[in-house]
Amino acid sequence: KQEVTQIPAALSVPEGENLVLNCSFTDSAIYNLQWFRQDPGKGLTSLLLIQSSQREQTSGRLNASLDKSSGRSTLYIAASQPGDSATYLCAVYGQNFVFGPGTRLSVLP
Amino acid sequence: EPEVTQTPSHQVTQMGQEVILRCVPISNHLYFYWYRQILGQKVEFLVSFYNNEISEKSEIFDDQFSVERPDGSNFTLKIRSTKLEDSAMYFCASSGGTGRDEQFFGPGTRLTVL
Repeated sequence: KQEVTQIPAALSVPEGENLVLNCSFTDSAIYNLQWFRQDPGKGLTSLLLIQSSQREQTSGRLNASLDKSSGRSTLYIAASQPGDSATYLCAVYGQNFVFGPGTRLSVLP
Repeated sequence: EPEVTQTPSHQVTQMGQEVILRCVPISNHLYFYWYRQILGQKVEFLVSFYNNEISEKSEIFDDQFSVERPDGSNFTLKIRSTKLEDSAMYFCASSGGTGRDEQFFGPGTRLTVL
């Protein structure tokens, strides 16, 4: 059974810092991995999708990498802003989506 | 930009009542999903739907739950006899292509069972 974990559970950084969020999964037989952000009481906003054959994807200040063999993905956020404050979720797609518990990010002005 | 919509945004019901949660997926998408998130917990997969039938379902999706695509635009989740533990945020999602493409989520319906 696929298990997804995320480290750290929470992170507080000053504005402008670069930061890395980590996602680990136990079963490497996945089709893709998707990163989302979730604002309090809201839905999930898709950030990046990495197919299993890819190593990384970039969108603006976000860069996500995937190492399928070691069961890891990282989300790199450059030059963080207060508007980046949210919970970041990773989800791996095998038979269906399995979500991690999220990293709650606070970017302080 | 196309988006997934869900109605209602908040539904309050009495235990034992039936509820129907509605979703309008992105118009050219072929794969549809329901997820739930109990307050403070992980997002959990419930069911996926393609070509007018269920393609995958989780252990949570028992006989109390059903899904339907009653017309060309709506996708519904019915809970037959709600329990207190069904209280959660329910998210609908859709994807195109092969079903392993990016999933787009709606804003959710908060279900409160009293």
